[in-house]
Formats: sequence, structure tokens, C-alpha cells
Amino acid sequence: GAGVSQTPSNKVTEKGKYVELRCDPISGHTALYWYRQSLGQGPEFLIYFQGTGAADDSGLPNDRFFAVRPEGSVSTLKIQRTERGDSAVYLCASSSQSGTEAFFGQGTRLTVV
Amino acid sequence: GQQLNQSPQSMFIQEGEDVSMNCTSSSIFNTWLWYKQDPGEGPVLLIALYKAGELTSNGRLTAQFGITRKDSFLNISASIPSDVGIYFCAGQPTYGGSQGNLIFGKGTKLSVKP
Repeated sequence: GAGVSQTPSNKVTEKGKYVELRCDPISGHTALYWYRQSLGQGPEFLIYFQGTGAADDSGLPNDRFFAVRPEGSVSTLKIQRTERGDSAVYLCASSSQSGTEAFFGQGTRLTVV
Repeated sequence: GQQLNQSPQSMFIQEGEDVSMNCTSSSIFNTWLWYKQDPGEGPVLLIALYKAGELTSNGRLTAQFGITRKDSFLNISASIPSDVGIYFCAGQPTYGGSQGNLIFGKGTKLSVKP
């Protein structure tokens, strides 16, 4: 597609469950980013991929969070043992190379009940 | 961690008015980006700035990369109702983060004057 696509757009899960959030970047973009946005806040960096490898995962809050990008295109953000505090909008972005304009998807709104 | 101070937090606009907002940082940034976010959507890139002193326009929007590399402003001229939304500045710090790690401000919320 023309833009960054994220699925699902909304996800409600029970506390303690495992969830996967998917991101399809713009075709040809080598850099991919995950951000988390809480209500009333700006996006906060989680992890950044250059190709298949995680170039910077310093924003992942703890070891319950993990992300992969096995073929250098689609990425999956995985959250284990979800907690209510994980509720937020998870945004994915991509760019043609790191440090240039990043284009965002519409986000996945995760609600942990 | 590094933070961006974005002001004002919110403002009301009347159609036709000019609007200004700015972002400051305690550290030097390589890149400044301005985004607009509508409810239920992801941020949309408005303007990207890469050099200190750079002044860039995109239609009615003008943004500048401060000479000190620690600040940036965004101006909107002759505002229209569809300018309503939340505007975020984002920067890529020179030190203390990877090239892919953008720091975002908390946003400036533009609303229509009642």
C-alpha cells in the first residue's frame, strides 16, 4: 500500500494475555520504528530497526516487550503477560533511511482490561 | 532522558489568525520535525528541518531550525478550521540516542475559539 499499515486498529485483551501488533511499512523503507503514545502525551520511542536488525531497543520498557522484523519488511511487536499500564496507542513508522522523515501509521489502540 | 519543551500546551484560533508555537531542548538536535495529529490517526509529517538556521515553508506553514540547534518554531498563517488538531515537534538529538530515536514534545492542541 501507499502508507504504513497497522493491524489491528483496535485490540482489547485481558490482563496477563499475550498480544501481537503488526506493522507493514512503506514499500522499500529500510528503517522501521515503534512508538507508544499515552493519552495526552507525545509518542515515546520503543525500538528502531534498520533492515532486519534492531539498531536501538533502548525504549522497550521491560522484557515483556519484544519486536521482530525477520525479512526486513513487516514487523511484529509482541507483548507478553499484558498489564493494564500497557494500554496505549502503539504507533509504527518507517523511513527510507534512519534519520530522515518518518511516516506514521494510524496506530493500534491497545486496551488491557 | 532528554525532553522537549513545547509551548503553548493549547491555544484557541479564530479563522484568519496567525498561530505560532515552539519547541526548546536542553541539548543540541540534528533534525527537527513538525507533525500534526488528528483524533484516531497517526501523526502526519508537516515539515522537516536539517540545518541550523534553515527556514522552510509548506503552504501556510513555516518552520525554522534555531541557530543554537536547541529550538524550533512553527508558524501557521491565516488559519482555517481544518488546522485544528494537535501539533508535535520531534527532534533527533546529536548525542545520547540512535539516529532512529526521535524525541517528541507533548504537543500543542489547537482548537477553535468558541
